[in-house]
Amino acid sequence: SQQGEEDPQALSIQEGENATMNCSYKTSINNLQWYRQNSGRGLVHLILIRSNEREKHSGRLRVTLDTSKKSSSLLITASRAADTASYFCATDTGTASKLTFGTGTRLQVTL
Amino acid sequence: GAVVSQHPSWVICKSGTSVKIECRSLDFQATTMFWYRQFPKQSLMLMATSNEGSKATYEQGVEKDKFLINHASLTLSTLTVTSAHPEDSSFYICSAPGRGAGAKNIQYFGAGTRLSVL
Repeated sequence: SQQGEEDPQALSIQEGENATMNCSYKTSINNLQWYRQNSGRGLVHLILIRSNEREKHSGRLRVTLDTSKKSSSLLITASRAADTASYFCATDTGTASKLTFGTGTRLQVTL
Repeated sequence: GAVVSQHPSWVICKSGTSVKIECRSLDFQATTMFWYRQFPKQSLMLMATSNEGSKATYEQGVEKDKFLINHASLTLSTLTVTSAHPEDSSFYICSAPGRGAGAKNIQYFGAGTRLSVL
């Protein structure tokens, strides 16, 4: 399956700052999701945005979706050291269907 | 939330041996599960879709005879890496879609299995 691209590949910020990650994908989608992966662990679902939605919030997370540009962004506000992880966008084309993951952004939040 | 258990978390084996990895949905039934492979600092690559009671669907380029998948029950899928070689060393992760309204499009992941083939 063709992967989406994410940028930046790596991001290092200080605690309290905001972190923005971008994702671009190639085909029409049903939903776009963001997942988090701590080093050497499985992935944890963060947030899902449907193709007919443009923006969604969950706590310190804000996700935008622009289907005309086939792109999404994830904003983490007031970052914490515990936010250090890799973040992946993933798209699906239907209910319970397989996911196509982006290349990921490694976020490092320092004290 | 739904919990997916994956075992073992880490395995070291000799070249030529076979290794079985288990993926269990603990508090929900999963007619479909997914198996991914991940190389260091890279993204997840889908290997195959495991279907309960029927054959798995493999992605292009994935050897069916090399990576055997069995989904014998609604809560268990297994991936067997047969005749493992050093190039099979990787991080393998399984997932299952959630159940119920609003959760079907969300994937719940196991903690992953790190395979090292000597």
